[in-house]
Amino acid sequence: KNEVEQSPQNLTAQEGEFITINCSYSVGISALHWLQQHPGGGIVSLFMLSSGKKKHGRLIATINIQEKHSSLHITASHPRDSAVYICAVYSNYQLIWGAGTKLIIKP
Amino acid sequence: SQTIHQWPATLVQPVGSPLSLECTVEGTSNPNLYWYRQAAGRGLQLLFYSVGIGQISSEVPQNLSASRPQDRQFILSSKKLLLSDSGFYLCAGQVNYGYTFGSGTRLTVV
Repeated sequence: KNEVEQSPQNLTAQEGEFITINCSYSVGISALHWLQQHPGGGIVSLFMLSSGKKKHGRLIATINIQEKHSSLHITASHPRDSAVYICAVYSNYQLIWGAGTKLIIKP
Repeated sequence: SQTIHQWPATLVQPVGSPLSLECTVEGTSNPNLYWYRQAAGRGLQLLFYSVGIGQISSEVPQNLSASRPQDRQFILSSKKLLLSDSGFYLCAGQVNYGYTFGSGTRLTVV
């Protein structure tokens, strides 16, 4: 079993829908990252969380340390949100990556 | 804030040729630096990390090597490329728990 599990693996939705991507982990962590990878490959860091909730524009990230679970939400989704979203946890001085969720938003 | 510069963006190299990918850091000193590789359709795999000048740790045995000649410079090299070295290579820098990523290099070995 992977130490960081994301779900779903693939998600297709219509423009305007509310999107939720989930991340569960089985190790003790110092921080959790949500990252976005576009088709060209470049990776952008969206959030770094150690507790609670963060919001940036239409993106919201939450983490529940006790349950070892985090969610990334996208409100009013848009085709430009189409990308791979990756959860990674910082544990024992290393970054452990989830496999990513491929999101496609159709106009 | 920390910025990672990585080049080139794309590279096509013949089998058996050498490789040198460079990553430089701006805006911080003494970062931890990482080289990752992503094969087609797969997640990121840690290749090397460095906690300081001349200090390199390798995560997987492979045809590649890394060097850190200066605090803000991290180089990924190969003497002779293999077809299996094709993939997307990403440099990352870490200060405290925050990571910053380069834009990546897509390497195709032909």
